[in-house]
Amino acid sequence: KAGVTQTPRYLIKTRGQQVTLSCSPISGHRSVSWYQQTPGQGLQFLFEYFSETQRNKGNFPGRFSGRQFSNSRSEMNVSTLELGDSALYLCASSLEHRSTDTQYFGPGTRLTVL
Amino acid sequence: DQQVKQNSPSLSVQEGRISILNCDYTNSMFDYFLWYKKYPAEGPTFLISISSIKDKNEDGRFTVFLNKSAKHLSLHIVPSQPGDSAVYFCAAPRGNTGKLIFGQGTTLQVKP
Repeated sequence: KAGVTQTPRYLIKTRGQQVTLSCSPISGHRSVSWYQQTPGQGLQFLFEYFSETQRNKGNFPGRFSGRQFSNSRSEMNVSTLELGDSALYLCASSLEHRSTDTQYFGPGTRLTVL
Repeated sequence: DQQVKQNSPSLSVQEGRISILNCDYTNSMFDYFLWYKKYPAEGPTFLISISSIKDKNEDGRFTVFLNKSAKHLSLHIVPSQPGDSAVYFCAAPRGNTGKLIFGQGTTLQVKP
Protein backbone atom coordinates (compact mmCIF):
# COMPACT_ATOMS: atom_id res chain seq x y z
CA LYS A 1 0.00 0.00 0.00
CA ALA A 2 1.40 3.40 -0.93
CA GLY A 3 2.25 5.77 1.89
CA VAL A 4 1.29 9.37 2.41
CA THR A 5 2.47 11.55 -0.44
CA GLN A 6 3.06 15.29 -0.37
CA THR A 7 3.67 17.69 -3.20
CA PRO A 8 5.74 19.60 -3.87
CA ARG A 9 8.71 18.42 -1.82
CA TYR A 10 10.46 21.78 -1.95
CA LEU A 11 9.22 25.32 -2.44
CA ILE A 12 10.88 28.71 -2.45
CA LYS A 13 8.64 31.76 -2.14
CA THR A 14 9.07 35.41 -1.30
CA ARG A 15 7.40 37.39 1.46
CA GLY A 16 3.83 38.36 0.73
CA GLN A 17 3.18 35.50 -1.67
CA GLN A 18 0.82 32.64 -1.00
CA VAL A 19 1.41 28.91 -1.25
CA THR A 20 -0.67 25.74 -1.53
CA LEU A 21 0.60 22.38 -0.36
CA SER A 22 -1.01 19.07 -1.24
CA CYS A 23 -1.34 15.79 0.65
CA SER A 24 -2.67 12.42 -0.49
CA PRO A 25 -3.40 10.08 2.41
CA ILE A 26 -2.90 6.34 2.56
CA SER A 27 -5.68 4.59 0.66
CA GLY A 28 -8.65 4.08 2.97
CA HIS A 29 -7.56 6.69 5.50
CA ARG A 30 -10.15 9.36 6.08
CA SER A 31 -8.42 11.68 8.54
CA VAL A 32 -5.63 14.08 7.57
CA SER A 33 -3.64 16.26 9.96
CA TRP A 34 -1.06 18.92 9.21
CA TYR A 35 1.99 19.85 11.30
CA GLN A 36 4.71 22.45 11.08
CA GLN A 37 8.25 21.63 12.11
CA THR A 38 10.76 24.37 12.86
CA PRO A 39 14.06 24.16 14.76
CA GLY A 40 12.80 26.47 17.49
CA GLN A 41 9.24 25.23 18.00
CA GLY A 42 9.53 21.55 17.13
CA LEU A 43 6.47 19.78 15.73
CA GLN A 44 3.35 21.91 16.05
CA PHE A 45 -0.18 20.87 15.12
CA LEU A 46 -1.87 23.01 12.48
CA PHE A 47 -5.24 21.39 11.82
CA GLU A 48 -7.08 18.11 11.32
CA TYR A 49 -9.65 17.21 8.70
CA PHE A 50 -12.11 14.35 8.68
CA SER A 51 -14.99 13.85 6.25
CA GLU A 52 -14.19 17.18 4.57
CA THR A 53 -14.64 19.04 7.88
CA GLN A 54 -12.02 20.72 10.00
CA ARG A 55 -12.19 18.97 13.37
CA ASN A 56 -9.36 20.66 15.23
CA LYS A 57 -7.19 23.70 14.77
CA GLY A 58 -3.87 24.63 16.37
CA ASN A 59 -2.68 28.05 17.47
CA PHE A 60 -1.79 29.49 14.10
CA PRO A 61 -3.00 32.74 12.51
CA GLY A 62 -5.82 32.81 10.01
CA ARG A 63 -3.28 33.03 7.17
CA PHE A 64 -3.04 29.26 7.55
CA SER A 65 -6.02 27.43 6.13
CA GLY A 66 -6.84 24.06 4.70
CA ARG A 67 -9.47 21.87 3.20
CA GLN A 68 -10.22 18.26 2.49
CA PHE A 69 -11.82 16.81 -0.59
CA SER A 70 -14.30 13.97 -0.92
CA ASN A 71 -11.47 11.54 -1.79
CA SER A 72 -9.76 12.50 1.52
CA ARG A 73 -6.96 14.37 -0.22
CA SER A 74 -6.11 17.60 1.57
CA GLU A 75 -4.54 20.93 0.80
CA MET A 76 -3.23 23.62 3.06
CA ASN A 77 -2.77 27.23 2.07
CA VAL A 78 -0.62 29.93 3.59
CA SER A 79 -1.33 33.47 2.48
CA THR A 80 0.81 36.60 2.87
CA LEU A 81 3.93 34.58 3.59
CA GLU A 82 6.32 35.74 6.29
CA LEU A 83 9.95 34.80 6.83
CA GLY A 84 8.94 32.85 9.93
CA ASP A 85 6.77 30.54 7.85
CA SER A 86 9.90 28.82 6.56
CA ALA A 87 9.53 25.28 7.86
CA LEU A 88 8.95 21.64 7.05
CA TYR A 89 5.22 21.07 6.62
CA LEU A 90 4.14 17.54 7.38
CA CYS A 91 0.92 15.80 6.58
CA ALA A 92 -0.25 12.70 8.43
CA SER A 93 -3.15 10.38 7.73
CA SER A 94 -5.06 7.94 9.91
CA LEU A 95 -7.97 5.60 9.41
CA GLU A 96 -10.52 7.52 11.39
CA HIS A 97 -10.79 10.45 13.77
CA ARG A 98 -10.07 8.51 16.98
CA SER A 99 -7.12 9.33 19.22
CA THR A 100 -5.95 5.68 19.08
CA ASP A 101 -5.71 5.70 15.29
CA THR A 102 -2.01 5.81 14.47
CA GLN A 103 -0.98 8.72 12.30
CA TYR A 104 1.38 7.99 9.42
CA PHE A 105 3.41 10.85 8.06
CA GLY A 106 4.40 11.89 4.59
CA PRO A 107 7.91 13.08 3.65
CA GLY A 108 6.98 16.72 4.10
CA THR A 109 7.21 19.89 2.03
CA ARG A 110 10.18 22.10 2.77
CA LEU A 111 9.04 25.73 2.40
CA THR A 112 11.62 28.50 2.27
CA VAL A 113 10.42 32.11 2.38
CA LEU A 114 12.90 34.71 1.20
CA ASP B 1 2.85 24.74 28.37
CA GLN B 2 4.91 21.79 27.18
CA GLN B 3 2.67 18.85 28.07
CA VAL B 4 5.06 16.25 26.65
CA LYS B 5 8.71 16.61 27.53
CA GLN B 6 11.88 14.89 26.42
CA ASN B 7 14.52 16.32 28.68
CA SER B 8 17.52 14.74 27.01
CA PRO B 9 18.33 16.44 23.69
CA SER B 10 20.84 13.78 22.76
CA LEU B 11 22.03 10.28 23.59
CA SER B 12 25.06 8.35 22.37
CA VAL B 13 25.40 4.57 22.75
CA GLN B 14 27.65 1.85 21.42
CA GLU B 15 26.37 -0.57 18.80
CA GLY B 16 24.89 -3.68 20.41
CA ARG B 17 24.10 -1.94 23.69
CA ILE B 18 20.70 -0.79 24.97
CA SER B 19 19.35 2.66 24.14
CA ILE B 20 16.86 4.13 26.60
CA LEU B 21 14.93 7.22 25.57
CA ASN B 22 12.75 8.95 28.13
CA CYS B 23 9.60 11.01 27.97
CA ASP B 24 7.52 12.73 30.66
CA TYR B 25 4.03 14.13 30.43
CA THR B 26 1.98 16.43 32.58
CA ASN B 27 -1.58 15.82 31.38
CA SER B 28 -3.09 12.88 33.28
CA MET B 29 -5.86 12.69 30.65
CA PHE B 30 -3.44 11.34 28.05
CA ASP B 31 -4.32 7.68 27.50
CA TYR B 32 -2.36 6.76 24.41
CA PHE B 33 1.27 7.34 23.53
CA LEU B 34 3.35 6.91 20.40
CA TRP B 35 7.02 6.92 19.48
CA TYR B 36 8.26 8.15 16.11
CA LYS B 37 11.69 8.08 14.53
CA LYS B 38 12.76 10.86 12.19
CA TYR B 39 15.65 11.20 9.79
CA PRO B 40 16.64 14.66 8.50
CA ALA B 41 14.46 15.98 5.66
CA GLU B 42 11.99 13.08 6.06
CA GLY B 43 8.66 12.70 7.80
CA PRO B 44 8.44 10.88 11.15
CA THR B 45 8.12 7.11 10.96
CA PHE B 46 5.82 5.39 13.44
CA LEU B 47 7.66 2.95 15.70
CA ILE B 48 5.48 1.74 18.52
CA SER B 49 2.55 2.80 20.66
CA ILE B 50 1.11 2.00 24.06
CA SER B 51 -2.29 2.40 25.62
CA SER B 52 -2.63 3.56 29.21
CA ILE B 53 -4.27 0.25 30.13
CA LYS B 54 -0.90 -1.43 29.59
CA ASP B 55 2.48 -0.85 31.16
CA LYS B 56 4.56 -2.47 28.44
CA ASN B 57 4.42 -3.06 24.71
CA GLU B 58 7.04 -4.86 22.69
CA ASP B 59 7.76 -5.03 18.97
CA GLY B 60 10.99 -6.69 17.95
CA ARG B 61 13.93 -4.70 19.25
CA PHE B 62 11.65 -1.92 20.51
CA THR B 63 9.88 -1.94 23.88
CA VAL B 64 7.93 0.92 25.39
CA PHE B 65 7.28 1.09 29.14
CA LEU B 66 4.62 3.27 30.72
CA ASN B 67 4.58 4.34 34.36
CA LYS B 68 1.28 6.18 34.81
CA SER B 69 1.86 7.14 38.43
CA ALA B 70 5.10 8.86 37.47
CA LYS B 71 3.67 10.15 34.16
CA HIS B 72 6.71 8.71 32.47
CA LEU B 73 7.36 6.50 29.48
CA SER B 74 10.52 5.12 28.01
CA LEU B 75 11.57 3.50 24.76
CA HIS B 76 14.15 0.72 24.92
CA ILE B 77 16.04 -0.36 21.82
CA VAL B 78 17.94 -3.61 22.18
CA PRO B 79 20.37 -4.19 20.59
CA SER B 80 21.07 -0.75 19.18
CA GLN B 81 22.26 -0.55 15.58
CA PRO B 82 23.93 2.29 13.66
CA GLY B 83 20.79 2.57 11.48
CA ASP B 84 18.85 3.54 14.61
CA SER B 85 20.68 6.87 14.64
CA ALA B 86 17.89 9.43 14.25
CA VAL B 87 15.72 11.83 16.21
CA TYR B 88 13.10 10.12 18.37
CA PHE B 89 9.85 11.83 19.33
CA CYS B 90 7.28 10.75 21.84
CA ALA B 91 3.75 12.02 21.25
CA ALA B 92 0.29 11.85 22.79
CA PRO B 93 -3.12 12.61 21.25
CA ARG B 94 -4.98 15.42 22.98
CA GLY B 95 -8.43 14.29 24.00
CA ASN B 96 -10.33 12.12 21.57
CA THR B 97 -8.81 13.88 18.59
CA GLY B 98 -6.10 13.48 16.03
CA LYS B 99 -4.09 16.33 17.47
CA LEU B 100 -0.73 14.94 18.49
CA ILE B 101 1.30 16.74 21.13
CA PHE B 102 4.99 16.07 20.50
CA GLY B 103 8.00 16.18 22.77
CA GLN B 104 11.04 18.14 21.66
CA GLY B 105 12.83 15.02 20.44
CA THR B 106 16.00 13.18 21.43
CA THR B 107 18.82 12.68 18.94
CA LEU B 108 20.19 9.16 19.23
CA GLN B 109 23.63 8.35 17.89
CA VAL B 110 24.66 4.70 17.77
CA LYS B 111 28.39 4.32 17.29
CA PRO B 112 29.80 1.28 15.45
